[in-house]
Amino acid sequence: DAGVIQSPRHEVTEMGQEVTLRCKPISGHNSLFWYRQTMMRGLELLIYFNNNVPIDDSGMPEDRFSAKMPNASFSTLKIQPSEPRDSAVYFCASSWDRNYGYTFGSGTRLTVV
Amino acid sequence: GESVGLHLPTLSVQEGDNSIINCAYSNSASDYFIWYKQESGKGPQFIIDIRSNMDKRQGQRVTVLLNKTVKHLSLQIAATQPGDSAVYFCAGGGGADGLTFGKGTHLIIQP
Repeated sequence: DAGVIQSPRHEVTEMGQEVTLRCKPISGHNSLFWYRQTMMRGLELLIYFNNNVPIDDSGMPEDRFSAKMPNASFSTLKIQPSEPRDSAVYFCASSWDRNYGYTFGSGTRLTVV
Repeated sequence: GESVGLHLPTLSVQEGDNSIINCAYSNSASDYFIWYKQESGKGPQFIIDIRSNMDKRQGQRVTVLLNKTVKHLSLQIAATQPGDSAVYFCAGGGGADGLTFGKGTHLIIQP
């Protein structure tokens, strides 16, 4: 398996633009997570999907953030409109169970200018 | 809910020495713990895990120790090498909230 695949690796966008981050989880994993990592806050869980259904989105900062998982092999995290404070590294992770080891992707480094 | 924290944000060790990274957790109901290594520009990678019915687990050059009495776990790296330079995260879970991650310890290897 190729692991968790995220795209793009880097994204630079202007404030106010829409940004879409993509994730392909490991085949067979039924849990998918989106995290945001910054120096100040460390790893923050944004949203958790189980069997393609959003279960916990309490970490989503505000209405500008939305996430979807249309099928078991694809998820998106969208920010609209983007703001400079959204600049961070966004990780997608997947697992066969919420309470056991997660496999992380390589992340998307987002810079909003 | 669970909170997980590391004792030191930065740890500097000499190449060849053993490294010990410590972590504390708050929820005594947590029954699973995991250590991740994150190298610069990469995502966190699994190193080793341990369940609460164990006190110790060994991997290749790494050992995780779990002390449930004081809610503490540690990661020991034997004969530290330059490639061990990274940020190390502990995470705990097993309840309804999934895994909770600590903020990480940056391990610096001195030549």
